[in-house]
Amino acid sequence: SQTIHQWPATLVQPVGSPLSLECTVEGTSNPNLYWYRQAAGRGLQLLFYSVGIGQISSEVPQNLSASRPQDRQFILSSKKLLLSDSGFYLCAWRRDDRGNTEAFFGQGTRLTVV
Amino acid sequence: AQSVTQLGSHVSVSEGALVLLRCNYSSSVPPYLFWYVQYPNQGLQLLLKYTTGATLVKGINGFEAEFKKSETSFHLTKPSAHMSDAAEYFCAVRLASGGYQKVTFGTGTKLQVIP
Repeated sequence: SQTIHQWPATLVQPVGSPLSLECTVEGTSNPNLYWYRQAAGRGLQLLFYSVGIGQISSEVPQNLSASRPQDRQFILSSKKLLLSDSGFYLCAWRRDDRGNTEAFFGQGTRLTVV
Repeated sequence: AQSVTQLGSHVSVSEGALVLLRCNYSSSVPPYLFWYVQYPNQGLQLLLKYTTGATLVKGINGFEAEFKKSETSFHLTKPSAHMSDAAEYFCAVRLASGGYQKVTFGTGTKLQVIP
């Protein structure tokens, strides 16, 4: 069976500090990977998606970046965090990029920038 | 433009009462529609999805949804609410963009179940 791991679960970081959130998927190969940010009352905002190693698409220009160094690893980073980066970050994977396949989500990371 | 709208950011029902969470979409292509549930501080879990075929879709935990093309709706229902149904629910729609089919999520509806 497939599993997705996301860590850390919670993180408190000062403004201007770097960020690295990691997500790994087990039990499948060549998954489509996603980073979402969830803000209260605003639903899920797609930040990045990746259809393969080294292939990253950015949905929203911002202070964040993503990388996919391995097939089942997806990393969300920032060089200098802003207060507005606070939120709940979710990693997800799908088997392919067809619209009828559901997404499987990690448990999320609650990031608070202080 | 393609989008999904969830009417009501908060819904309260009594335990045992009907649950109705509304979702309307707009899409220029045949829609694929999803409902996800999120419990506090957790990721999202798929409840059900509609792709093709029968328009009444049954999901986990007694939930079901009906795709109504004429109304561009995909409302989520459950005949009798249980305390464990208290969570946030997200509707999502397949968004076709070039060769890559993205899925966009609604803003969510928080369901409160009153004992």
